[in-house]
Amino acid sequence: AQSVTQPDIHITVSEGASLELRCNYSYGATPYLFWYVQSPGQGLQLLLKYFSGDTLVQGIKGFEAEFKRSQSSFNLRKPSVHWSDAAEYFCAVGPFNFGNEKLTFGTGTRLTIIP
Amino acid sequence: EAGVVQSPRYKIIEKKQPVAFWCNPISGHNTLYWYLQNLGQGPELLIRYENEEAVDDSQLPKDRFSAERLKGVDSTLKIQPAELGDSAVYLCASSFRGGGEETQYFGPGTRLLVL
Repeated sequence: AQSVTQPDIHITVSEGASLELRCNYSYGATPYLFWYVQSPGQGLQLLLKYFSGDTLVQGIKGFEAEFKRSQSSFNLRKPSVHWSDAAEYFCAVGPFNFGNEKLTFGTGTRLTIIP
Repeated sequence: EAGVVQSPRYKIIEKKQPVAFWCNPISGHNTLYWYLQNLGQGPELLIRYENEEAVDDSQLPKDRFSAERLKGVDSTLKIQPAELGDSAVYLCASSFRGGGEETQYFGPGTRLLVL
């Protein structure tokens, strides 16, 4: 069964600083990978996704993520964070084939931005 | 394009009372998901529909939870009777499944508090 680990429960970053959120997955084949963001009291918004091809994917709001098969990782990055980026970030993996369409989420990383 | 719509956004009930949540997916999406999100956790799948058919309800506590998706569009999730431990966020998501690369889009969720 697939699983996702987000090792950082809470990260605090200064506004304007760079950001990297870690995500490691466990799956026996090439996974489909996603990053979602959840603001307080809101649902999940898709930031970006990886299905195949170029391992560096660009998303909305200036985010990007890199798929590294050798490290089973899909870390999320942003060169300069804004106060509005404060939220909960979830990494998810989904195989989406042979009838197994389940999305498995990590436990999330809470991002706090300080002035 | 309208997103996934859920109602109500918030619900407070006393234990042992029934409660129902409604979801309207994105137009054209044939697959609908209900997820449960406990505080500080990522979402976990309760049930997945393809059109009118519930194709994965293995995680749905069938003694008190039920769901339906009449006509393959809107869906309702019901809890009867509610327990204190059911306090959580109930998220609905939809996707179009047909080309292999499937992306789920989430609604804002219903926040349930059972007293």
